[in-house]
Amino acid sequence: NAGVTQTPKFQVLKTGQSMTLQCAQDMNHNSMYWYRQDPGMGLRLIYYSASEGTTDKGEVPNGYNVSRLNKREFSLRLESAAPSQTSVYFCASRYGTMDGYTFGSGTRLTVV
Amino acid sequence: SQELEQSPQSLIVQEGKNLTINCTSSKTLYGLYWYKQKYGEGLIFLMMLQKGGEEKSHEKITAKLDEKKQQSSLHITASQPSHAGIYLCGAEWTQGGSEKLVFGKGTKLTVNP
Repeated sequence: NAGVTQTPKFQVLKTGQSMTLQCAQDMNHNSMYWYRQDPGMGLRLIYYSASEGTTDKGEVPNGYNVSRLNKREFSLRLESAAPSQTSVYFCASRYGTMDGYTFGSGTRLTVV
Repeated sequence: SQELEQSPQSLIVQEGKNLTINCTSSKTLYGLYWYKQKYGEGLIFLMMLQKGGEEKSHEKITAKLDEKKQQSSLHITASQPSHAGIYLCGAEWTQGGSEKLVFGKGTKLTVNP
């Protein structure tokens, strides 16, 4: 059982480049989430998808877009990367409300 | 989130010592989740608490939710270097659940051998 799989694990981008972070879960979870983690800031929610076919903004959505491709996959896209988007990105999923999250192992992104 | 405060922000203990991490909410908690993150890795689920006064243990880690359901503590007995990492609490503030959890900023634990 793979759980939540994120790709890539590491990425270096130049300012202005675009890229998509991939996330897939095999637990039949309904909700999926993208967070970024920065020192001293904790986890900040970027976007989430409460169920297949829906997406909503979180706390820090600017500069990002998401796609809930199907029930399994939730991707995060940076259209024009900026140094402020240097961070560790985590994808998470859960089956329903009152369930805990299962997290992926993270993507460490550096924008130079 | 300012509505969910963790303390202390960081903690350095000698191996074998006991320690406590707190998570305080400005609102009633309907679910409180504890996660551990090893440096450079993802978050691992530890425990979930829902009822006032509830206490759960796993190996040397015990988590409690107070009767008023606004504060949770995570206690580690006889700490080991393997306990080192960042501990985060996540809150559910809606009865029956909401669309997303709110997380505290985390407590960084260092255990010196």
